[in-house]
Amino acid sequence: EADIYQTPRYLVIGTGKKITLECSQTMGHDKMYWYQQDPGMELHLIHYSYGVNSTEKGDLSSESTVSRIRTEHFPLTLESARPSHTSQYLCASRSGRRNTEAFFGQGTRLTVV
Amino acid sequence: SQQGEEDPQALSIQEGENATMNCSYKTSINNLQWYRQNSGRGLVHLILIRSNEREKHSGRLRVTLDTSKKSSSLLITASRAADTASYFCATDHILYGQNFVFGPGTRLSVLP
Repeated sequence: EADIYQTPRYLVIGTGKKITLECSQTMGHDKMYWYQQDPGMELHLIHYSYGVNSTEKGDLSSESTVSRIRTEHFPLTLESARPSHTSQYLCASRSGRRNTEAFFGQGTRLTVV
Repeated sequence: SQQGEEDPQALSIQEGENATMNCSYKTSINNLQWYRQNSGRGLVHLILIRSNEREKHSGRLRVTLDTSKKSSSLLITASRAADTASYFCATDHILYGQNFVFGPGTRLSVLP
């Protein structure tokens, strides 16, 4: 069973609000990822981290930011939400060793109205 | 750009039939992984195949890897209605900075 948690599961907010999506894992994994996924569509990597104080942007341009102050915690922040940010956000983690699987949280479904 | 590309995009079969999905990728990899996603949920890891392996089995799953063609296939035998889900391949690239990326997925429907 995966020990990676995302909160909230669902979020409806107004345009212009600042929001933070939380992601925590208790497996001591070095690598963490944020993906954006529209329903039934592919996953787009928006941010990743290889460890504390390491963050990189992914393939998909995003107006969000992330931080990695602690190994277990990888929050994603939108400074000013827009309707175009409406999507599902998936967090994942994996060990820093080679050839290891990723564990996913249940996702946060964000709706910006 | 995404590295993995699944084929077909959607597949509909009857219960008891076999389902085959394919994945192609572009660059050299350490391994290729298959994941399953039920509607609206996170992904669950199914199987990992390393670049020096050609075939791997896990229960009703069979995965092949052809590094010369940069392609992989996932076979689900004796499918069940509960296998209905989206299936994604993900590639772990050799080059540093080429991160863990997923293909667009195959949506499998198994009809009872």
